[in-house]
Amino acid sequence: EDQVTQSPEALRLQEGESSSLNCSYTVSGLRGLFWYRQDPGKGPEFLFTLYSAGEEKEKERLKATLTKKESFLHITAPKPEDSATYLCAVPSNSGYALNFGKGTSLLVTP
Amino acid sequence: GAVVSQHPSRVICKSGTSVKIECRSLDFQATTMFWYRQFPKQSLMLMATSNEGSKATYEQGVEKDKFLINHASLTLSTLTVTSAHPEDSSFYICSASRSGEFGQYFGPGTRLTVT
Repeated sequence: EDQVTQSPEALRLQEGESSSLNCSYTVSGLRGLFWYRQDPGKGPEFLFTLYSAGEEKEKERLKATLTKKESFLHITAPKPEDSATYLCAVPSNSGYALNFGKGTSLLVTP
Repeated sequence: GAVVSQHPSRVICKSGTSVKIECRSLDFQATTMFWYRQFPKQSLMLMATSNEGSKATYEQGVEKDKFLINHASLTLSTLTVTSAHPEDSSFYICSASRSGEFGQYFGPGTRLTVT
């Protein structure tokens, strides 16, 4: 069964304190791994798509990397406005639905 | 590009009434649209997948007669919660994807409260 596991569940950082979020997956034949950011009371906002091991993508203070078993979302020198829940997802084996992890709730304090 | 809108953003209705939520892809054609619900501090739970012009495919445990989905065009899908009850109160989010793509673009969500 396809699984997506994110860790940690919650992370509290001081402003400027870099860290990484983890997303491990077990799927037969990866067809992309997706990272989203979700603010309270809003829909998820698309961040990155990664397709193959070794691939990296960056956006401002965020960098996503991918291996054959997991993906990391690195946050460099975070700011309070980076506080949100970060979700990763992979396509299910059936159709185009996505299997989501439970997310990492990030809080960045000033 | 890839903007998805939802309407309304918030709705309060009385128990036993029906509520319709609209999901529109504003700048692309959405071959497939998805409906999720999300409870507080929980992740997204897929309810159903719909393809334009076809009947929706519902996830196990989701009542198709209660949650009616219509994907009438490549830019519009609607979710109707029929005979709503307080336990249907939740955050409903739609998403859309382009033909042949796995990436989904999400709407801003609709907060449904049934009194």
